[in-house]
Amino acid sequence: GESVGLHLPTLSVQEGDNSIINCAYSNSASDYFIWYKQESGKGPQFIIDIRSNMDKRQGQRVTVLLNKTVKHLSLQIAATQPGDSAVYFCAERALIQGAQKLVFGQGTRLTINP
Amino acid sequence: EAQVTQNPRYLITVTGKKLTVTCSQNMNHEYMSWYRQDPGLGLRQIYYSMNVEVTDKGDVPEGYKVSRKEKRNFPLILESPSPNQTSLYFCASSSRLAELSYEQYFGPGTRLTVT
Repeated sequence: GESVGLHLPTLSVQEGDNSIINCAYSNSASDYFIWYKQESGKGPQFIIDIRSNMDKRQGQRVTVLLNKTVKHLSLQIAATQPGDSAVYFCAERALIQGAQKLVFGQGTRLTINP
Repeated sequence: EAQVTQNPRYLITVTGKKLTVTCSQNMNHEYMSWYRQDPGLGLRQIYYSMNVEVTDKGDVPEGYKVSRKEKRNFPLILESPSPNQTSLYFCASSSRLAELSYEQYFGPGTRLTVT
């Protein structure tokens, strides 16, 4: 499959365990954050988003936590499954030079061990 | 099915030979973008388009051109490809970025190698 990052931070967890993937963002004025999942050979896929006026949002088996004080975002995946193996990265929406832009992190490679 | 399609998926070419990567979406989205993805650098925006006939430079536009003559299509043109444009390219479409909830759909990617 396609290699999306040769030197990404990696996280390995046992199938069925919970995983937490972290992301530090750069712009304190960013108002909206997104987590993406990218499987080998595919394009990024939207997982969950959160606005800056929230500190937690839950989806199906996923939870995003936002800590604006330290500019930190995390994605928690409950009861991981083999299909969760992928690269996960966050994006922040920021106003840059008068235009709203999405700024992407490099990602974390999550591996689920059977 | 809502989707973004790109063609070709894989392309090997030589320096200086003009090429076009096509992108099409069936969601009637106004906003479309091109990104390149390189190891250690994440996704970087090349060009984007807010609507038909409205395009603007992203973070790494040098060596690329785009056009938006129709809402559904947003081709990426490399007039004179160079080896440093070897990369994985993604097209994406979405509702307007300024909306409160923003979901961006990505195409499957085009792996380009320039020798």
